[in-house]
Amino acid sequence: DQQVKQNSPSLSVQEGRISILNCDYTNSMFDYFLWYKKYPAEGPTFLISISSIKDKNEDGRFTVFLNKSAKHLSLHIVPSQPGDSAVYFCAARYNNNDMRFGAGTRLTVKP
Amino acid sequence: KAGVTQTPRYLIKTRGQQVTLSCSPISGHRSVSWYQQTPGQGLQFLFEYFSETQRNKGNFPGRFSGRQFSNSRSEMNVSTLELGDSALYLCASSLAGATYQPQHFGDGTRLSIL
Repeated sequence: DQQVKQNSPSLSVQEGRISILNCDYTNSMFDYFLWYKKYPAEGPTFLISISSIKDKNEDGRFTVFLNKSAKHLSLHIVPSQPGDSAVYFCAARYNNNDMRFGAGTRLTVKP
Repeated sequence: KAGVTQTPRYLIKTRGQQVTLSCSPISGHRSVSWYQQTPGQGLQFLFEYFSETQRNKGNFPGRFSGRQFSNSRSEMNVSTLELGDSALYLCASSLAGATYQPQHFGDGTRLSIL
């Protein structure tokens, strides 16, 4: 059951520009949303999160936006750096730690 | 602070065998979750343990099972291995499920079935 979808398998941006990664979900019971970054041969690394009672959370170059009416989540990275190149996973949680992940978006930041 | 530790990192088995994977959570974390990642798929939730009890379970067959010990360490077992079980198995730990606490992942165990 694809309750969390990342429709873009890949994204390429120029260094210094904005990267926008998108995520859609179907279950209105999700109460907590997270973004993870994953490099090859490593486990996912927590990046940023947002609870369902907020619509924006910012941490340095990373901002997550939540639009509950549209069931849409996005991650903005400004400015993008080559070291940001990785696979980004969107995740949503309900029922304690029952988490659902999207299939991931591979971000490539070109120098 | 040590992160989540998974052992072994790599494992090769043949069809029909069984396998046990181990996960040591971050110190103080009582919730441990397991995920399966296959090529082209996101992370598929297997199950979550909290205080030695399975609290949540994903949509996997009964061949996949787990347990958690009193020190929060967890093991995952897969019996009667099939070729389709080849995947990266990831373990994640967190402080608790009721608050907004992220899960932290280990580097996974790469399981290959021949």
